[in-house]
Amino acid sequence: QVQLEESGPGLVKPSQTLSLTCTVSGGSISSADHFWGWVRQPPGKGLEWIGYINFRGSTFYNPTLKSRVATSVDTTKNQFSLTLASVTAADTAVYFCVRSVTTYRRFDYWGQGILVTVSS
Amino acid sequence: DIQMTQSPSSLSASVGDRVAITCRANQSIDIYLNWYQHKPGRAPQLLIYAASTLHSGVPSRFRGSGSGTDFSLTISSLQPDDFATYYCQQSYRTLFTFGPGTKVHVK
Repeated sequence: QVQLEESGPGLVKPSQTLSLTCTVSGGSISSADHFWGWVRQPPGKGLEWIGYINFRGSTFYNPTLKSRVATSVDTTKNQFSLTLASVTAADTAVYFCVRSVTTYRRFDYWGQGILVTVSS
Repeated sequence: DIQMTQSPSSLSASVGDRVAITCRANQSIDIYLNWYQHKPGRAPQLLIYAASTLHSGVPSRFRGSGSGTDFSLTISSLQPDDFATYYCQQSYRTLFTFGPGTKVHVK
């Protein structure tokens, strides 16, 4: 059974960089059939796709966040990461890491989510 | 961006009820439509992909249908474990977008 688990600080100061890591177990991050991505949900709001990456490092990002987002993959640790620069209170959200299957690009596994609050 | 809408935004139902949720895209997305179930504090779960294909392990009481711009998720006989929020999501364009969600709560 594939499992994903997010980790990282729960509090980030405005203008700083948010950094999260997702650890994958029960499956290899080096699969050609999958992308590894991030979705967030601000309090009381809907889900927003942030972006994703495959094991070769090919990336796709939400254009509204593209100038501030970066993702990376560490195949040796079976992990992938998200950085979001210059954060504001609007970036406060629960951040989910997800696995996306290339066929129909469905998110078939999700992490439980981690709340990141942007506040001084 | 492809905009997704859902109706209703919430509904109250009882165990054993038949429940239907609709999802609409503002342009054709063929069958690139996925449904998820989300409970507070838990990882969202994929229910249906490609509009009507049941994800592995999902009970057969869940059914998805539709193509183009109009889709639906039906739960044939609501079970206690089904009280949750349901989201549709288009994967036709790489800027993936979700519907606002439908919360199914106890009547």
